[in-house]
Amino acid sequence: GAVVSQHPSRVICKSGTSVKIECRSLDFQATTMFWYRQFPKQSLMLMATSNEGSKATYEQGVEKDKFLINHASLTLSTLTVTSAHPEDSSFYICSAGPGFNTQYFGPGTRLTVL
Amino acid sequence: AQKITQTQPGMFVQEKEAVTLDCTYDTSDPSYGLFWYKQPSSGEMIFLIYQGSYDQQNATEGRYSLNFQKARKSANLVISASQLGDSAMYFCAMRDPPAGTASKLTFGTGTRLQVTL
Repeated sequence: GAVVSQHPSRVICKSGTSVKIECRSLDFQATTMFWYRQFPKQSLMLMATSNEGSKATYEQGVEKDKFLINHASLTLSTLTVTSAHPEDSSFYICSAGPGFNTQYFGPGTRLTVL
Repeated sequence: AQKITQTQPGMFVQEKEAVTLDCTYDTSDPSYGLFWYKQPSSGEMIFLIYQGSYDQQNATEGRYSLNFQKARKSANLVISASQLGDSAMYFCAMRDPPAGTASKLTFGTGTRLQVTL
């Protein structure tokens, strides 16, 4: 079946550094990918929609300069958390699908900012 | 705006028994889709089942079935013959009206299922 990969699965960084997370669709092309954020014991909240070849669309309250999204190819979207701070520590997870009735999620990235 | 409600924060079920996880939704769009995902402690989101608003029959996938009651705006997940490996968080989600080939999802708050011996 369709698979979405995400890398890295876990990252620990110092406050002030930037962290890049990759999301890849492995066996289908995805013109659109989605980035979600999940705090402990909470649900997933959509951060932004990544569009291949154009600017990402951010949800209300999400800082686009803080969370940079690049969708450079039909199988790769990257999320860069710039100048990370402890409050950015969270579980970040991407999704993509071969059609609008199918959405597969990557395994997620657990970010810890010290 | 779309809204998904899961009123059961936690559920217990004995192994080999069936369990129903509740999900109600609210939308003004006649075309919508409902998903159920399983999230084990590892964090990955595992797709379980999908129901489209125009689907005539309730969706089924192995031990998972969806009790879709459109008039009541409910899409409950039924897990038959529960297994210990079913212990996880379960999320109900609704897709926004499609934009191109993809749609973002709005999630409920989830239900934590614990399967006991």
